[in-house]
Amino acid sequence: QQQVKQSPQSLIVQKGGISIINCAYENTAFDYFPWYQQFPGKGPALLIAIRPDVSEKKEGRFTISFNKSAKQFSLHIMDSQPGDSATYFCAAVNSGGYNKLIFGAGTRLAVHP
Amino acid sequence: NAGVTQTPKFRILKIGQSMTLQCTQDMNHNYMYWYRQDPGMGLKLIYYSVGAGITDKGEVPNGYNVSRSTTEDFPLRLELAAPSQTSVYFCASSPRLLATDTQYFGPGTRLTVL
Repeated sequence: QQQVKQSPQSLIVQKGGISIINCAYENTAFDYFPWYQQFPGKGPALLIAIRPDVSEKKEGRFTISFNKSAKQFSLHIMDSQPGDSATYFCAAVNSGGYNKLIFGAGTRLAVHP
Repeated sequence: NAGVTQTPKFRILKIGQSMTLQCTQDMNHNYMYWYRQDPGMGLKLIYYSVGAGITDKGEVPNGYNVSRSTTEDFPLRLELAAPSQTSVYFCASSPRLLATDTQYFGPGTRLTVL
């Protein structure tokens, strides 16, 4: 049972375009939603995170949009750059259940120059 | 400050062999985690530890064992290696057990069981 569903599996975007990755969750007990970025041969690293009491969070070119009623959240990368090429994982955690992240399957993003 | 280090980087095992994946962190974090990453499956939690001497199971603990004798080290033991354990293994640590605390990941160990 996949508690966090992520799509698409892979994404190709031209430099300067917008990359959009979507996630959906089932468990309403989840109350913190981080995104991790992973470059080839490296471990994941926290990119940006959101709580469900806000509908949007922006950090530079990266924005999380959150729809609590639909139980969906998405990552938008504006003005995508070749250096953004990586695998992106959404995750969810129930703050009452310790810091046990539930990850989506990941999206491999390639930004072409 | 090296963060989270893992050894070895790569390893090939034969079915039935055993090995220990090493993980060390120098950030004085109490909380440490082991994940496995399979293609198209994301990362799944194997075991976690809330401090020296205290460990607990995650989502996929079968076939693995852990110990935590010091704050810095959290080794993962595979006893009878099986092809299903072919994966990339990541160790992580966090300063606290709060959901909002960032987990810091090591570079991973790629294990193949043949």
